[in-house]
Amino acid sequence: DARVTQTPRHKVTEMGQEVTMRCQPILGHNTVFWYRQTMMQGLELLAYFRNRAPLDDSGMPKDRFSAEMPDATLATLKIQPSEPRDSAVYFCASGWGDSNQPQHFGDGTRLSIL
Amino acid sequence: GESVGLHLPTLSVQEGDNSIINCAYSNSASDYFIWYKQESGKGPQFIIDIRSNMDKRQGQRVTVLLNKTVKHLSLQIAATQPGDSAVYFCAETPLTGGGNKLTFGTGTQLKVEL
Repeated sequence: DARVTQTPRHKVTEMGQEVTMRCQPILGHNTVFWYRQTMMQGLELLAYFRNRAPLDDSGMPKDRFSAEMPDATLATLKIQPSEPRDSAVYFCASGWGDSNQPQHFGDGTRLSIL
Repeated sequence: GESVGLHLPTLSVQEGDNSIINCAYSNSASDYFIWYKQESGKGPQFIIDIRSNMDKRQGQRVTVLLNKTVKHLSLQIAATQPGDSAVYFCAETPLTGGGNKLTFGTGTQLKVEL
């Protein structure tokens, strides 16, 4: 089965460090989403891309977070500098935009900022 | 101080019984709805979806019911099994303008007792 792949699965680092999370969407999907999940806030949409172009990043703290799609097979989410409050599970999902097909999720990156 | 997380509703059922998980949504413009299952340490997994031109859709052991009049969605699981234990999320998006950008509910914890 095709699936969304996220790396790393776990990341522990000290505050102030740069963190890069990577996502390989399902081949052929034209829309990629980044979500953050915490006990306090649940599942929140951070940003999403259509055909590699950013469509909406209103859910993302702009001062320290950045999301890019260098090519159709790779999406990245960076935090610089990281803070303890960034500790969460970050999920990537991919799907077909404008077709109302379900998004498919990866298994996430569990991030801990000490 | 003490951290307070989201209080997930919990549904406990006996193995073999049927489960019904409910979801109320608020956006009257939503026309496409999805149920996801999330097991511990994994990403949300697509279960079943339904469009607003339908009020019922069946899958393998699962049925989704949609009542747009009262903005209510439910997931029925027949003959619940231990492997069904997970958190279940409903998600919604409007047909136009949403670009399949989903809004997720807070989730329901399903516990299957042997």
